[in-house]
Amino acid sequence: KAGVTQTPRYLIKTRGQQVTLSCSPISGHRSVSWYQQTPGQGLQFLFEYFSETQRNKGNFPGRFSGRQFSNSRSEMNVSTLELGDSALYLCASSRDRYNEQFFGPGTRLTVL
Amino acid sequence: GQQLNQSPQSMFIQEGEDVSMNCTSSSIFNTWLWYKQDPGEGPVLLIALYKAGELTSNGRLTAQFGITRKDSFLNISASIPSDVGIYFCAGLTSGSARQPTFGSGTQLTVLP
Repeated sequence: KAGVTQTPRYLIKTRGQQVTLSCSPISGHRSVSWYQQTPGQGLQFLFEYFSETQRNKGNFPGRFSGRQFSNSRSEMNVSTLELGDSALYLCASSRDRYNEQFFGPGTRLTVL
Repeated sequence: GQQLNQSPQSMFIQEGEDVSMNCTSSSIFNTWLWYKQDPGEGPVLLIALYKAGELTSNGRLTAQFGITRKDSFLNISASIPSDVGIYFCAGLTSGSARQPTFGSGTQLTVLP
């Protein structure tokens, strides 16, 4: 069974730009969660999607948004990028909302 | 909110030594998870624990779900260089809208 895939793996953007990251969950998994990971802050929860609906949201500004499609694939978008948005963005999928999560390899975003 | 205290924050050990790390919480969890993360990659699920008192092994790794359901331990026996990485614990509460609660990680360095 293929694991969670994320594209792109690496991204370099400049301040003010916007970015879209993509996540394909494990086949059969319906819940997708997004996390931001930085050296100083650890894993910070962004949001969770289940059945195309955002079910949970972390403490991030409105510049961070996401969506989930009918095939459970998910995208997250960050608008008006700031230097502090540089991080590893991780997507995790689980079969249902309360099962163990399996992570993708992440997208390394660098904002210059 | 729920918090996990993971310790130690970092460890430097000699190859061949055994390692122990743990997570404690003031809250009860129904599931404990242990992940390992290599540099630049997403966390990989190592062991999942579902019952209080459960002891589960995965090769040289052994994890236990504490009787009080507020703690969990991970032991690595006879460490090897590829054990280097960051180990995270995570707690899940069933029937809750909350996301998994993650520990801050234990950075393991294995010296030759």
